[in-house]
This record gives sequence, structure tokens and C-alpha cells, in this order.
Amino acid sequence: DTAVSQTPKYLVTQMGNDKSIKCEQNLGHDTMYWYKQDSKKFLKIMFSYNNKELIINETVPNRFSPKSPDKAHLNLHINSLELGDSAVYFCASSLLRGHTYEQYFGPGTRLTVT
Amino acid sequence: GNSVTQMEGPVTLSEEAFLTINCTYTATGYPSLFWYVQYPGEGLQLLLKATKADDKGSNKGFEATYRKETTSFHLEKGSVQVSDSAVYFCALSEDYGGSQGNLIFGKGTKLSVKP
Repeated sequence: DTAVSQTPKYLVTQMGNDKSIKCEQNLGHDTMYWYKQDSKKFLKIMFSYNNKELIINETVPNRFSPKSPDKAHLNLHINSLELGDSAVYFCASSLLRGHTYEQYFGPGTRLTVT
Repeated sequence: GNSVTQMEGPVTLSEEAFLTINCTYTATGYPSLFWYVQYPGEGLQLLLKATKADDKGSNKGFEATYRKETTSFHLEKGSVQVSDSAVYFCALSEDYGGSQGNLIFGKGTKLSVKP
């Protein structure tokens, strides 16, 4: 069984459209995340969320919004897509072991904006 | 703020060669340190971790030691294989209260192992 899954795996869309990427984890973890990987492979945190708190990276445009219908899901909505949004988006979830959050990543969604 | 610096690649080695990928960090407090590996076309997999100074993380022949005095977490493997070809990311976890463990990544080092 896949621990952290994302759909779709590939997403091609035009500028100005609104799209969503879904993420589900079956690990029973409390905290979920979204990361963005750019064309140079650089990874950056976008959001982290548990059932109490959403932490937003201040550099993320407000066109991006996470939505969590329940503890096992954290979806990413993107409005008014721009060319610069093209990237691979990774969802992750984590379990707190001692004082360390051990994160498990999904397979990624490659978003291409044309 | 917190940051991770790792050696730039690509690194090309012959099979059975010794591997070192350098990683240094800047952090307030006492972060946990990780190495993640990304095989072509796949997501990130946790390779190893260390949660406090002098801890050694190890997995699949790879190892790294948390050195607080040099703020380093270098990745080593004694004998690489073609199947080790991937991008390796060093990362630190912001474990302070309320941080929710956000990972700060280095820029990644691409390793290619030739037969």
C-alpha cells in the first residue's frame, strides 16, 4: 500500500487556470506538508499543517492555498496559474519521534503551465 | 535563518569508489539532520538521520555523523554501486516548538556511478 499518494502525477494546463493537486496519507500521521521543487532540483517548504495549525512560508503567493478535509488529506489549490508555477510539487507527512519529525514523501506531481 | 549548504555536483565516480558528499548547516538551537535520496523520476526517500551531536546515522552502506563543532553532516559510502546514482539532499529539521518540523534542504548533489 502506498504510504503517501498524490494525484495527478502529471498536470499540464494553461496560464490563468485554477487547478488542484490531491494528497493522501495512510500512515496515521498528524502533520502534512507541501514542498516545491524547481527546475534546478531545489526544494522549498510551502506549507505545513496539522489539525491545529497552518504554517505558511511567507514567500508563497496567496494564489496557493492548502485545504485539509480531514487528517489524512492535504490538497493544494492554485488559482490563476503562472508560467513560474511550473515545478514538481511534493506532499509529505510526518510522525513525531521524540523531538524529531520524520517525514515521508509522496511521488510528486509535475505541473507544467503553458 | 537556518540554512544547509552542500557540495555542488555533479559527482561522477567509478563503481566501488569511495563517496563523500559534504554538507554543512547553520541553525539556531539543535536541529535534526537528514539525508534524502531522489532516484530519477521518483520522490524523496529518507536515507538516514541523526538527531543529536555525535550521532551517526547509517543505512544501505551510507553513513553520516552529526558534528556540532564543525556544523557538518557529511555523507560517506565506502564502495558505491551503479544503483546509487541519484540526487542526494542534505536537510535539517526545525524542531523547535511550533515549527512542525519543516525541512530546510540543501541544493542537492547529483551522483553518477559508472560501471
